[in-house]
Amino acid sequence: DQQVKQNSPSLSVQEGRISILNCDYTNSMFDYFLWYKKYPAEGPTFLISISSIKDKNEDGRFTVFLNKSAKHLSLHIVPSQPGDSAVYFCAAKGGSGNTPLVFGKGTRLSVIA
Amino acid sequence: GAVVSQHPSRVICKSGTSVKIECRSLDFQATTMFWYRQFPKKSLMLMATSNEGSKATYEQGVEKDKFLINHASLTLSTLTVTSAHPEDSSFYICSAREALSYNSPLHFGNGTRLTVT
Repeated sequence: DQQVKQNSPSLSVQEGRISILNCDYTNSMFDYFLWYKKYPAEGPTFLISISSIKDKNEDGRFTVFLNKSAKHLSLHIVPSQPGDSAVYFCAAKGGSGNTPLVFGKGTRLSVIA
Repeated sequence: GAVVSQHPSRVICKSGTSVKIECRSLDFQATTMFWYRQFPKKSLMLMATSNEGSKATYEQGVEKDKFLINHASLTLSTLTVTSAHPEDSSFYICSAREALSYNSPLHFGNGTRLTVT
């Protein structure tokens, strides 16, 4: 049973336009959400996170939106750049301790010049 | 920022041999480290939680006698794949969190690509 779902395995966007990556979760105990970027043969790199007490967090070109009632979050990248092409993983954490992250399957973003 | 170093980045071994993968936190102490595994085009699956000075906690379906974890110091955890078989070929990644806040990102090593022939 997948607790974090990324239903789009891939996404293509033109350079300069907005990229929107979506993520759904099922576990209502999750209270901290993150997005990671990953290149082949490398570990994931942290991008941005959001706590469940917020509904939006912005960092430069990256914005994460959280809709708790829908158990849905999204990552917006604007403007998209060719260097953004990578696999993006949504991750979630629940509980107050030093607990692991649960990952979605990832979405491969291709930004076309 | 926090850095996690993983070594080796790539290893090829023969079936039946053992392989050790090291994970170090370079500029912070990590009482807990997490080992993940990624199959091609799949998500990162948690294998085990490594706790400094105590036994690791393994996820369901992960054989603790095959994947030996040792967390001997606050900056080093090792994963040993014992009697490796071709089906153990995968991408193994370790991660750790600075103990400032538990609601903070995990920092990942660069992973180890294991190929068992």
